[in-house]
Amino acid sequence: DTGVSQNPRHKITKRGQNVTFRCDPISEHNRLYWYRQTLGQGPEFLTYFQNEAQLEKSRLLSDRFSAERPKGSFSTLEIQRTEQGDSAMYLCASSFTQGPEAFFGQGTRLTVV
Amino acid sequence: KQEVTQIPAALSVPEGENLVLNCSFTDSAIYNLQWFRQDPGKGLTSLLLIQSSQREQTSGRLNASLDKSSGRSTLYIAASQPGDSATYLCAPHGSYGGATNKLIFGTGTLLAVQP
Repeated sequence: DTGVSQNPRHKITKRGQNVTFRCDPISEHNRLYWYRQTLGQGPEFLTYFQNEAQLEKSRLLSDRFSAERPKGSFSTLEIQRTEQGDSAMYLCASSFTQGPEAFFGQGTRLTVV
Repeated sequence: KQEVTQIPAALSVPEGENLVLNCSFTDSAIYNLQWFRQDPGKGLTSLLLIQSSQREQTSGRLNASLDKSSGRSTLYIAASQPGDSATYLCAPHGSYGGATNKLIFGTGTLLAVQP
C-alpha cells in the first residue's frame, strides 16, 4: 500500500476555468476528507465522506465546489469557474472508522492566474 | 468553535538540543489528538496519535502528551537533527457539532535545526 495518492500534484489554470482533482485513499479506508491549505495557515476542513456518502460539508465549500466518491473508493473534487482566491493546496486524507489516525496525501497545488 | 493555537510560531535551535512545541485548544470535548509534520510544499506526515484515554505517546525521539481538561498538548523532540526541520501541526479530533470526527488545525510551529 503506497498511502494516499493525489493527482495532479500541481495545476495552473486560468480564472474562470473548471478543474478536477483526484484522491485515491488507502485501500479499505472508509473515511475520506478534503482539506484546503493556504500559505502560512493550517489545513481547513472542506468535506467528509463515509464510504460513498458525503456526510458533511464546510461553509467554506461554496456552490462552485463539488465532491464525489462513487463506489466508496477514489474521490474527486471539482471547482467550477475558478477564482484567484481558490489558489491553495488541496489535501486529501483517509482513515478507518474504527481507527482514528488520519493519513494525508501529498496534496494538489492549485494556482489560478 | 474549536480554536487551536501553537506556540512558538517559529523556532530556530542548534543541532542536538531538546525542544518542546506547545499546542492549546479551546474545546476539550475531543476524541483524540494527532501531531503532524509538513515539509515545504508537501503533504502532512502523521507523527503521533494520542487517543483520549491516553496521556502520552512515544515514537523514537518524539514524545507527545495530552491534557484534555486543560486543553493542552506538547510535543517533545529529543536530540534535534537538521532533518527535523519542518512545520509541526497539531490537530485535535472532534465532531464539533458536525456529522463526523474531523481534525481542526492550528497554524503550526516552523522549526529550523541548524547544523
